[in-house]
Amino acid sequence: EAQVTQNPRYLITVTGKKLTVTCSQNMNHEYMSWYRQDPGLGLRQIYYSMNVEVTDKGDVPEGYKVSRKEKRNFPLILESPSPNQTSLYFCASSLTGWAGYTFGSGTRLTVV
Amino acid sequence: GQQLNQSPQSMFIQEGEDVSMNCTSSSIFNTWLWYKQEPGEGPVLLIALYKAGELTSNGRLTAQFGITRKDSFLNISASIPSDVGIYFCAGPPYGGAQKLVFGQGTRLTINP
Repeated sequence: EAQVTQNPRYLITVTGKKLTVTCSQNMNHEYMSWYRQDPGLGLRQIYYSMNVEVTDKGDVPEGYKVSRKEKRNFPLILESPSPNQTSLYFCASSLTGWAGYTFGSGTRLTVV
Repeated sequence: GQQLNQSPQSMFIQEGEDVSMNCTSSSIFNTWLWYKQEPGEGPVLLIALYKAGELTSNGRLTAQFGITRKDSFLNISASIPSDVGIYFCAGPPYGGAQKLVFGQGTRLTINP
């Protein structure tokens, strides 16, 4: 089944403790992206990647890092999480960039 | 970053009613996308629009690409309980083909 898989689905952590949210797609898509969703704000793009080793900032990149060492994986790294990064995070992938993004099921992160 | 404004923010309707929602931008978009998000899941693409004036249907859903390129509309006819969810408009801002900007969403609730 074609899908985008994120892990974990739920995570509660403490301020300052580094964490990684993994994302993997099995559709051989070149484009991958991370979004955060907050009430009343819709989805905001954090980082995106156009291919292996090619990444760029979205609209809200502060406090996040990404890497794209393999085509299928696009992990999101929070080096020093803070409470304002408490949110619902989505990874997505696409064959052609902006059109037809397939989203994962989300990771709900709470930073206390 | 560029913003998409959706209206209304929420709707409470009776089963069987028709639904209309819209999305506007202060700048031109060359593509409009409509997504639906159900509880606990990521957004799923419903309709993609690529030309000004285009009218596209997907079952009971119909979306239109405004001729000014600054707005789009989504209509749902004869609503049913499974239409419940949050509907997002989205699109790549002009000159930013790899990015995808989302509206704040319209939450649809249906009374049986």
